Amino acid sequence: EAQVTQNPRYLITVTGKKLTVTCSQNMNHEYMSWYRQDPGLGLRQIYYSMNVEVTDKGDVPEGYKVSRKEKRNFPLILESPSPNQTSLYFCATSRGGSYEQYFGPGTRLTVT
Amino acid sequence: GENVEQHPSTLSVQEGDSAVIKCTYSDSASNYFPWYKQELGKGPQLIIDIRSNVGEKKDQRIAVTLNKTAKHFSLHITETQPEDSAVYFCAATPEGGGNQFYFGTGTSLTVIP
Repeated sequence: EAQVTQNPRYLITVTGKKLTVTCSQNMNHEYMSWYRQDPGLGLRQIYYSMNVEVTDKGDVPEGYKVSRKEKRNFPLILESPSPNQTSLYFCATSRGGSYEQYFGPGTRLTVT
Repeated sequence: GENVEQHPSTLSVQEGDSAVIKCTYSDSASNYFPWYKQELGKGPQLIIDIRSNVGEKKDQRIAVTLNKTAKHFSLHITETQPEDSAVYFCAATPEGGGNQFYFGTGTSLTVIP
């Protein structure tokens, strides 16, 4: 079954404590992205990757890092989380050359 | 960068009526316009898309229209059903933007039985 998985699904943490949200896909897709979803703001792209070792900033990259060492994984790293990073995060993937994105189930992050 | 505006933010219709959601974009180089449906507690799911060389596309009860000159595109849902209730997002991708997407702010659609 084609899947995009995210872990954890829910996380409550404190300001400044480094965390990683993982994203994994089994579709052999080249493209992967991270989005955050906030009420009234829709989905905003944080980072995207078009292949292994190739990453680019999206619209709101400040405070986030990503890496793409393997095709199937695209972790999102918050080195020093702050309360304004409290949000619902989605990973998405698509086949290279295709715009059709498949979204993961989301990770709800709360930073206190 | 691209700016996508979406209206209305909320929409209530009676079951069986039609629903229309509109989006405008700013970058004339954008060439791909998808629509996503997000049900409660789930990730967005692509329901229909259109490319800039096409004016209209239809899939059963769902259709999308694109006016490149005016830089706006719309989602039309006919014969609405309660299961159409969800949040809908439009998006745009600039030509040559690779995997870069700009989303609208979403429309919460409620279909009243």
